[in-house]
Amino acid sequence: QLQLQESGPGLVKPSETLSLTCTVSGGSISSSSYYWGWIRQPPGKGLEWIGSIYYSGSTYYNPSLKSRVTISVDTSKNQFSLKLSSVTAADTAVYYCARLWVVTAINALFDYWGQGTLVTVSS
Amino acid sequence: SYVLTQPPSVSVAPGQTARITCGGNNIGSKSVHWYQQKPGQAPVLVVYDDSDRPSGIPERFSGSNSGNTATLTISRVEAGDEADYYCQVWDSSSDQVVFGGGTKLTVL
Repeated sequence: QLQLQESGPGLVKPSETLSLTCTVSGGSISSSSYYWGWIRQPPGKGLEWIGSIYYSGSTYYNPSLKSRVTISVDTSKNQFSLKLSSVTAADTAVYYCARLWVVTAINALFDYWGQGTLVTVSS
Repeated sequence: SYVLTQPPSVSVAPGQTARITCGGNNIGSKSVHWYQQKPGQAPVLVVYDDSDRPSGIPERFSGSNSGNTATLTISRVEAGDEADYYCQVWDSSSDQVVFGGGTKLTVL
């Protein structure tokens, strides 16, 4: 059974960079047809897609966050990571990693999710 | 960018049928996926490709998609179905994942 686990600091200071890692177990991050993504959810609000990456390094980003986001992959460790720079209180959220199943060129869905990790931006 | 619109809340009595809509421009031409999220938990896929169910999801969950509206239908609603539900598509014109704003299902 595929499992994803987020890890990283739970508290980040304003203007600094948020860094999270997702470790994939029970399957290979190098599988074809799958991208790997980050989604966040501010307290009491809805889901927001941040971006996704293929094992080759190809990425898609949410345009609203693109200038501050970097997603990378380490196939040797079966991990992918998120960096979000210049954070503010508005970036406080539960951050989820998930597998994005690319069914076709015009269809993709998240079929496996991590449990999520709360990141608070505060001084 | 593509926008998905969901009602903020839907209420239904136990045993009745709940219908949660997801509106989008010509959404019938896209594949719609639905997630259930209970408090403090990660979202779970309950319907994919408009109307298919992942293994382990009860047959009470079904979906449809036509024109400008996709619908998640939950038959014989149970107290355990109380949750937030999100629709999602892949917008190929901008290469983005798009989520609806979410609908809180309350079981009366």
